[in-house]
Formats: sequence, C-alpha cells, structure tokens
Amino acid sequence: DAGITQSPRHKVTETGTPVTLRCHQTENHRYMYWYRQDPGHGLRLIHYSYGVKDTDKGEVSDGYSVSRSKTEDFLLTLESATSSQTSVYFCAISGREYGTSGTEQFFGPGTRLTVL
Amino acid sequence: AQKVTQAQTEISVVEKEDVTLDCVYETRDTTYYLFWYKQPPSGELVFLIRRNSFDEQNEISGRYSWNFQKSTSSFNFTITASQVVDSAVYFCALSEGETGNQFYFGTGTSLTVIP
Repeated sequence: DAGITQSPRHKVTETGTPVTLRCHQTENHRYMYWYRQDPGHGLRLIHYSYGVKDTDKGEVSDGYSVSRSKTEDFLLTLESATSSQTSVYFCAISGREYGTSGTEQFFGPGTRLTVL
Repeated sequence: AQKVTQAQTEISVVEKEDVTLDCVYETRDTTYYLFWYKQPPSGELVFLIRRNSFDEQNEISGRYSWNFQKSTSSFNFTITASQVVDSAVYFCALSEGETGNQFYFGTGTSLTVIP
C-alpha cells in the first residue's frame, strides 16, 4: 500500500453546488495528481502538483481547481458541479524528489461522485 | 490524437488460455516510459510494470510477460495460462521526456477469464 486515502469515497450532490475532494498521503511523495475515469475514456488527468503550492493543469481541467498547502494533502474542488462531472475520481502520487521523471504512480482507492 | 491506443475493448478467454493485450503508443520524445496497470472489479488501480525507452528487453514475471518493440511503438502484455483472478481492466500508460510525470492512459482492455 502506498499510503493514499481519499475522502469522501462516495458523494451525491446537486447541480450547482460546490464539492471538494481530498487526497491524503503519508508517503512524502512530491508529485500528486487528480484523474477522472469515465467509460470509453480511460483515466484523464485533471490537475497535478509538483510541490507545495505548485500546481498545473492537465488535459481536462475546465471546471476544476486544486490546492496544495502541505505535502500530504491535495484538494480538488468543483466550484459549481455539473452532471458532466459525474465520474470516478482518482488521486495518485509519485516521485519523492523533484525532477524524478517517469516513476510509477500509485493510486488512491477512488471517489465516486454523482451530480444530479 | 490518442497517445496510447488499446484497440481491444473487451476480451474473453477460457481459463488456462494465453492472452495478449495490445498497446500502441505515439511520442516524439526519445526518452519516455511505459506502464501497465490492472484494475480488478474492486476498482483499485494496481501498478504492474514500468519500462523506459532505452530498455527493449522483454520482461517476464511469473505468468506475465511484456514485449516492448520500439520499431512498432508497441508494448504488449501477455498472460500465460490465464486464471479467473486475472479478470480485470488493464490500462497501458505513457509518460514522456525529462518531465515525465504526466501520464497518458489508454482506454483500457476489459479481460474476462471464463472458468
């Protein structure tokens, strides 16, 4: 186990409400990621972080924001949830050192989000 | 364009048969990394293997083997003597270049092993 937890594990919310998902790691990895998984699309990167307060966009970042105020926590926020954001969200971590490239990512258990 | 293509959406095999899952990737970088992950019905993602672009040696781990061919941009995964526990969705992924931290996943191949 890579020591990654996600909360909540399941959430049902209504369109237009804000939602925050939390990823917590105990492995002291520098890099953290948020993906969404949808049928027919595999996993797609939403945002990632390469250090505290350092984040960047992935391929499907519209409608999402992230924050990382300490090494162990990476938050994903949907400011105003839409039905198209119904998905399974995975957090991942990799690389303890800055600049370590191509290391495997370890994934959290996932959060199933339903937006009605 | 898809950077990673897994053309086989679903495969069914009878237990003890061998099965190969195909993965074709696209990149212009000379340094890149390829990965396979397994997602069983329970939903977690399990790392299986990592291969860098400079190492074309095939790898075998028990019943699993991987064939990396740069000439065809493929990184195929073979399960020998399949078992019911191999039933899962398998994802191939690519990370590129010196930054190498953004993964591009294929759409996955769902493998069902029939007892």
